[in-house]
Amino acid sequence: GEDVEQSLFLSVREGDSSVINCTYTDSSSTYLYWYKQEPGAGLQLLTYIFSNMDMKQDQRLTVLLNKKDKHLSLRIADTQTGDSAIYFCAEPRRDHGSSNTGKLIFGQGTTLQVKP
Amino acid sequence: NAGVTQTPKFRILKIGQSMTLQCTQDMNHNYMYWYRQDPGMGLKLIYYSVGAGITDKGEVPNGYNVSRSTTEDFPLRLELAAPSQTSVYFCASSPTEDYGYTFGSGTRLTVV
Repeated sequence: GEDVEQSLFLSVREGDSSVINCTYTDSSSTYLYWYKQEPGAGLQLLTYIFSNMDMKQDQRLTVLLNKKDKHLSLRIADTQTGDSAIYFCAEPRRDHGSSNTGKLIFGQGTTLQVKP
Repeated sequence: NAGVTQTPKFRILKIGQSMTLQCTQDMNHNYMYWYRQDPGMGLKLIYYSVGAGITDKGEVPNGYNVSRSTTEDFPLRLELAAPSQTSVYFCASSPTEDYGYTFGSGTRLTVV
């Protein structure tokens, strides 16, 4: 497909784990990114994974990459109310025959709601 | 170190008016981007620049123009505003093509 796909909404209870899934399009993507957007704010780079890795862990965040299925996931352990936000996955988009210009294609965003 | 600064934060335009959305960064980043964000649609790339004097179209450039006369500034110009341009606009910058972006806080534009 042409689009980066994410489910639109996820609701969890405080203290539970959250798993946000993403399907990307280009198996040759070098880096894949997760961004977080809090209400009324811009996007912040949360974490990224290089394509030669299957997993990356950073404190409460775990990123899993399945290149065969072009599937990326973000797991947040011990989810807190401060984790409530929209989460975007993004992959580089390189036009055929051109150099990497850093363009990113974003998914629609997954709204994570954390209930106390 | 302010990062990426966008002005104004909010603006209401009438149909047919023009305006410039300002974006400046103080990190000496070569790469700069303009995206628009519509509800449930993610972000769509409008224009981008890989360095001063170089700009190129993204996915949705119609109705917009940009310039990049300095490394720091990347203004986005709307000519003849239309209701379809009602959106939240984000500017972003990056030091390299792989580093990931630093985003500004956005400009919320309404065209009525």
